[in-house]
Amino acid sequence: QAQLVQSGAEVKKTGASVKVSCKASGYTFTTYYMHWVRQAPGQGLEWMGIINPSGGSTSYTQKLQGRITMTRATSTSTVYMELSSLRSEDTAVYYCARESIVSKRGTNYYYGIDVWGQGTTVTVSS
Amino acid sequence: SYELTQPPSVSVSPGQTASITCSGENLGDKFASWYQQKSGQSPVLVIYQNNMRPSGIPERFSGSNSGNTATLTISGAQATDEADYHCQAWDTSTGVFGGGTKLTVL
Repeated sequence: QAQLVQSGAEVKKTGASVKVSCKASGYTFTTYYMHWVRQAPGQGLEWMGIINPSGGSTSYTQKLQGRITMTRATSTSTVYMELSSLRSEDTAVYYCARESIVSKRGTNYYYGIDVWGQGTTVTVSS
Repeated sequence: SYELTQPPSVSVSPGQTASITCSGENLGDKFASWYQQKSGQSPVLVIYQNNMRPSGIPERFSGSNSGNTATLTISGAQATDEADYHCQAWDTSTGVFGGGTKLTVL
């Protein structure tokens, strides 16, 4: 069955960068978009951005523009999320999660984020 | 930027119906999804495209979306339904989540 396995917990200093990986298995990697979503302690889910593993195109939330980069390696079915200039408020659990998005006659049909990774805890401190 | 608003908490008695709302400007013109998240776990998709249930999700979960409000309805709530529920929609090419609602079954 489809599975997303993320890299392990990270502890970083303020101002540093972090790169989290997400390895997909059990499905055709290029046929599902991949989201990155984070959740700060005791807070709700925050959408960070999305990558199309087929062509590598990305869309990021305005809030993180300039600090976030999403990439993919099709040879290993892995997506990466790098966040730079870390601040204490970036402390959170980071999730990768896939979604099928199909365009038909100019309309996008979203099939929901149906598989989530286990989450990666990133702690930022001075 | 686009915002989705949910009530922080909703309570329901076992066997009764719980309704969780998600409000956003012209949300009815977009597709809404709903996610259940139990403590310490990754979210689980329970509704997509406003009212579609993924395989394995019980029939007691249903959804609707019209005007400015999407609603997740849990009919005959069970103790196992106690969790946080998050709505999500797309605004152009940007995803947006609501703030989440804690459902208490007591």
